[in-house]
Amino acid sequence: AAGVIQSPRHLIKEKRETATLKCYPIPRHDTVYWYQQGPGQDPQFLISFYEKMQSDKGSIPDRFSAQQFSDYHSELNMSSLELGDSALYFCASSLRLEGTEAFFGQGTRLTVV
Amino acid sequence: GEDVEQSLFLSVREGDSSVINCTYTDSSSTYLYWYKQEPGAGLQLLTYIFSNMDMKQDQRLTVLLNKKDKHLSLRIADTQTGDSAIYFCAESNDYKLSFGAGTTVTVRA
Repeated sequence: AAGVIQSPRHLIKEKRETATLKCYPIPRHDTVYWYQQGPGQDPQFLISFYEKMQSDKGSIPDRFSAQQFSDYHSELNMSSLELGDSALYFCASSLRLEGTEAFFGQGTRLTVV
Repeated sequence: GEDVEQSLFLSVREGDSSVINCTYTDSSSTYLYWYKQEPGAGLQLLTYIFSNMDMKQDQRLTVLLNKKDKHLSLRIADTQTGDSAIYFCAESNDYKLSFGAGTTVTVRA
């Protein structure tokens, strides 16, 4: 079965550069979530989209933005990167029914040097 | 996370049962989840339980939910070396998940 696809799997950027992470949800899933997991930390919710509209916002820095496109894929754009942005970024998708399980991608490991 | 708490470490002998405990704060959570994360890998959904259930069993996994005490546990029977990983408890709130800090389970021979 198709899973959530994230690209790239690994990314190395320098401070103050920009990065774009992509997420392709499971077909027919209408909700996408982004999470950030720092080293040794639990995943923290960043932002979510339902039917291409932002539905909820968590601890996402102002330097980050995200959107969901007409084909339901989502992109997380990160500007003015800082060393502290180094983390594993997960995308998850689900159907917008109460409590429907969220399926996670393998994550993109971003390293800022 | 602040809203979901777990013990950080668990060491268990191969073949024994593992029990990982979790407490959560949001009484309106409809579903509670257990995720497994192996080193350098993504989050794998192990199992979940609906809030009106007390117990759910799935092969070697047994989830117990005490809604009154907001306590969730995951029991892994016959723990194997492949079960070594970090286990995250998560509650759903407004369609997003809040995770605990994760319990690192180490299986020793």
